[in-house]
Amino acid sequence: AQSVTQLDSQVPVFEEAPVELRCNYSSSVSVYLFWYVQYPNQGLQLLLKYLSGSTLVKGINGFEAEFNKSQTSFHLRKPSVHISDTAEYFCAVTGYNQGGKLIFGQGTELSVKP
Amino acid sequence: DTEVTQTPKHLVMGMTNKKSLKCEQHMGHRAMYWYKQKAKKPPELMFVYSYEKLSINESVPSRFSPECPNSSLLNLHLHALQPEDSALYLCASSQATDGNSPLHFGNGTRLTVT
Repeated sequence: AQSVTQLDSQVPVFEEAPVELRCNYSSSVSVYLFWYVQYPNQGLQLLLKYLSGSTLVKGINGFEAEFNKSQTSFHLRKPSVHISDTAEYFCAVTGYNQGGKLIFGQGTELSVKP
Repeated sequence: DTEVTQTPKHLVMGMTNKKSLKCEQHMGHRAMYWYKQKAKKPPELMFVYSYEKLSINESVPSRFSPECPNSSLLNLHLHALQPEDSALYLCASSQATDGNSPLHFGNGTRLTVT
């Protein structure tokens, strides 16, 4: 069975400050990892994905994440946030034999203040 | 702009009504999904269609009935719903259900059951 834990339910940060949203996963098989962002009254948008290869993954809007197999983590980072980054962020995991079933974490609400 | 289109955007229905949610994608994806999302919660998988065949049903009550008329369309038929079924219903698609194909989400239908 797979599971995802997002360690912070809310992260308040000031504009232009760096931010890290933490995600830990558990799985008995090789994983594919994703970060999605959800703005108010919208669906989910893919920020970035880790499938294999380089453990540092760059995504859209200046976000990046690092896959750490030994620590079973996939933390999301951005060096300087903007007001427009205020949204809900979901970490998700699946595997090659899961039939497309994506397991989401509980979400982290990022609130960027001026 | 989302490449997965959901209609209607909002729906209010009584407990004795029958209504349908519609989802369309033209990306050539062969997998389509229905998710249910309650406020401040992650999306919960309901159904997965792969090559127009139902491949996963997450023990969803029979008052929700999915249909995949062709590879571009996905419907969710609703009948005799309960107030607790009020939620955001998200449709998604991916190239396949192999796990390494990211999901593309629509903006959802916000359903209110009165």
